[in-house]
Amino acid sequence: DAGITQSPRHKVTETGTPVTLRCHQTENHRYMYWYRQDPGHGLRLIHYSYGVKDTDKGEVSDGYSVSRSKTEDFLLTLESATSSQTSVYFCAISELGGTSYGYTFGSGTRLTVV
Amino acid sequence: EDKVVQSPLSLVVHEGDTVTLNCSYEVTNFRSLLWYKQEKKAPTFLFMLTSSGIEKKSGRLSSILDKKELFSILNITATQTGDSAIYLCAVNYQGAQKLVFGQGTRLTINP
Repeated sequence: DAGITQSPRHKVTETGTPVTLRCHQTENHRYMYWYRQDPGHGLRLIHYSYGVKDTDKGEVSDGYSVSRSKTEDFLLTLESATSSQTSVYFCAISELGGTSYGYTFGSGTRLTVV
Repeated sequence: EDKVVQSPLSLVVHEGDTVTLNCSYEVTNFRSLLWYKQEKKAPTFLFMLTSSGIEKKSGRLSSILDKKELFSILNITATQTGDSAIYLCAVNYQGAQKLVFGQGTRLTINP
């Protein structure tokens, strides 16, 4: 996945603990996104960013926060992980906000909350 | 509320068959519709459609958009086992810098 990496690739954590997922890009794209993917729901937007320190909520933002202090990094934090947050998390980047060729996706982070 | 609905959710066919995947949408101020293929990891871009009636084609895959009836189809002819994947449809609309995705169609091609 050229230009975008997610870390970690897999994580198992306990209920109630904070978790931070990292998305790093080398494309200098303005827009960055966090989605979660669950069976039967497709990709659902958690939060997105349209610039450094500029972020907005998506449709499933409860229990999540984000930060973008540099163009290349977009962090997703689960303040207190719950079992319902077990999912595969995808980061995506876009130069034009999805209006041209859509997004480039990272390889995903599989998070299990036990 | 903006909505993108794909059908069927799951489809199993034999190698060599032709399949048609559907995507309908309800968004205000539609701008474009995109198709992605997702194998084991990240979704990869297939097509972007903005105009009605103009077919986009890439090898055995083709797609068309109907803006009057608010849907798109993705056709795959002479399917191969390598076509097995989740196919995602997404819509972008005016004033939004994000995509709204459907639930995806899981396509399985049996040899």
